[in-house]
Amino acid sequence: GDSVTQTEGLVTLTKGLPVMLNCTYQTTYSPFLFWYVQHLNEAPKLLLKSSTDNKRTEHQGFYATLHKSSSSFHLQKSSVQLSDSALYFCALSDLGSNYQLIWGSGTKLIIKP
Amino acid sequence: EAGVTQSPRYAVLQEGQAVSFWCDPISGHDTLYWYQQPRDQGPQLLVYFRDEAVIDNSQLPSDRFSAVRPKGTNSTLKIQSAKQGDTATYLCASSPGTGGNERLFFGHGTKLSVL
Repeated sequence: GDSVTQTEGLVTLTKGLPVMLNCTYQTTYSPFLFWYVQHLNEAPKLLLKSSTDNKRTEHQGFYATLHKSSSSFHLQKSSVQLSDSALYFCALSDLGSNYQLIWGSGTKLIIKP
Repeated sequence: EAGVTQSPRYAVLQEGQAVSFWCDPISGHDTLYWYQQPRDQGPQLLVYFRDEAVIDNSQLPSDRFSAVRPKGTNSTLKIQSAKQGDTATYLCASSPGTGGNERLFFGHGTKLSVL
C-alpha cells in the first residue's frame, strides 16, 4: 500500500541557515503530495501541495518540487526564522489511498537564535 | 470565514470513564474527518463522513469509539470506556469535497489525557 517516509524526526538549526526536510513516498498511482505545518498547540495547516512532476511549488518562503522519478517531495527554505519552529508533516493522497491522506511520521524543526 | 470549531479543548479522565468530543466544521464543507494524533506523531484517521454518511470507519475501535454526524453538519466522537492508550489529541477536519487534492481545514483539537 501507499506510504510516506520522513527520515528526520528532529532537526535543530540556527536562525538564518537553510533547511531541507526529506519526504519520500511509495505508491503505484499518480499522487498528490502535501506539506502540513503544525505549530505548538495549534492545528495542522496546509503549507504546500503539488501533483505536477518537476514543478517547484512555493509558499511563505518554503518550496518543494515533486520528483516522480525519485518519489520525493523534499521541503526547503533558504533561511529559517525562529517562527519556523514547528512539526512538519508530509502527506500523500491518490487512488490507492481512496484519496485519503497518508501521513508521514513528521519532523520536528527547532530553530535556535 | 469561521474555522473548524472543536470542544472541549482539554479533557482529563480516569480509565473506564466516557468522554465526548464535538466538532463544528466550516459551513458548506460536506466532508468531515476525525483523527487521533498521539504526541509528536502524525494524525491517524479514525473515521470520515460525507454529509451524514460514514464513508470509512475501518480504523475506529468499534468496541469503545463511536462517531455520528446526524444532520451532515456537526459531529460527535465518543469514547465509551477510555484507556490510557487513548491519550492523544483528537483532531476534527473538514473539506469541501473528497477530491485528491482537497485541502483539509483542521480544528485546534481536543487534548485527552487518560490517567
